[in-house]
Amino acid sequence: DQQVKQNSPSLSVQEGRISILNCDYTNSMFDYFLWYKKYPAEGPTFLISISSIKDKNEDGRFTVFLNKSAKHLSLHIVPSQPGDSAVYFCAASGSSNSGYALNFGKGTSLLVTP
Amino acid sequence: KAGVTQTPRYLIKTRGQQVTLSCSPISGHRSVSWYQQTPGQGLQFLFEYFSETQRNKGNFPGRFSGRQFSNSRSEMNVSTLELGDSALYLCASSLGGTLGETQYFGPGTRLLVL
Repeated sequence: DQQVKQNSPSLSVQEGRISILNCDYTNSMFDYFLWYKKYPAEGPTFLISISSIKDKNEDGRFTVFLNKSAKHLSLHIVPSQPGDSAVYFCAASGSSNSGYALNFGKGTSLLVTP
Repeated sequence: KAGVTQTPRYLIKTRGQQVTLSCSPISGHRSVSWYQQTPGQGLQFLFEYFSETQRNKGNFPGRFSGRQFSNSRSEMNVSTLELGDSALYLCASSLGGTLGETQYFGPGTRLLVL
């Protein structure tokens, strides 16, 4: 039962434009949301997180938006750079019997073209 | 600070064998989590250890087990290997004190079962 869903398996964006990656979740007990970036043959690298008491968190070119009522979050990358090309995973955790576990989406492969 | 390290990086085993994977967390981190990544299922939570105790467990059969040592290093064991166990096994560490902490991943161990 996939509790975190990334419905776009891939996304292609031109360099300099905005990349918007989307994520939906079903479990209302989730309190913390994270985005990870993964290159082939490497482990996921933490990018940015947000807790449910906020609706926006910004770190340089990366901004995460959370809409709790819609159970939806998105990652905005502005401006996009070729080095951003990777697979992006959305993850969530919260106050449940597996509270320390991260529940991952299946990832969105981002390609930033020059 | 050194990151999360995992050994070995690659393994080839045959069905029915068992395997042990090792993970050394970031210095000072007391929580270690294990995840399995496959193309079809994405990243799935196996279990999490804190202070040598399993604190959370995902939906995997009992063939998958783990332990944590007093220095926070962790091992996971898979017995009676099946073809479907071929995957990238990722270890992540965090401080371990609170829910929603960022987990930092190692590079993973790629296991191939023939």
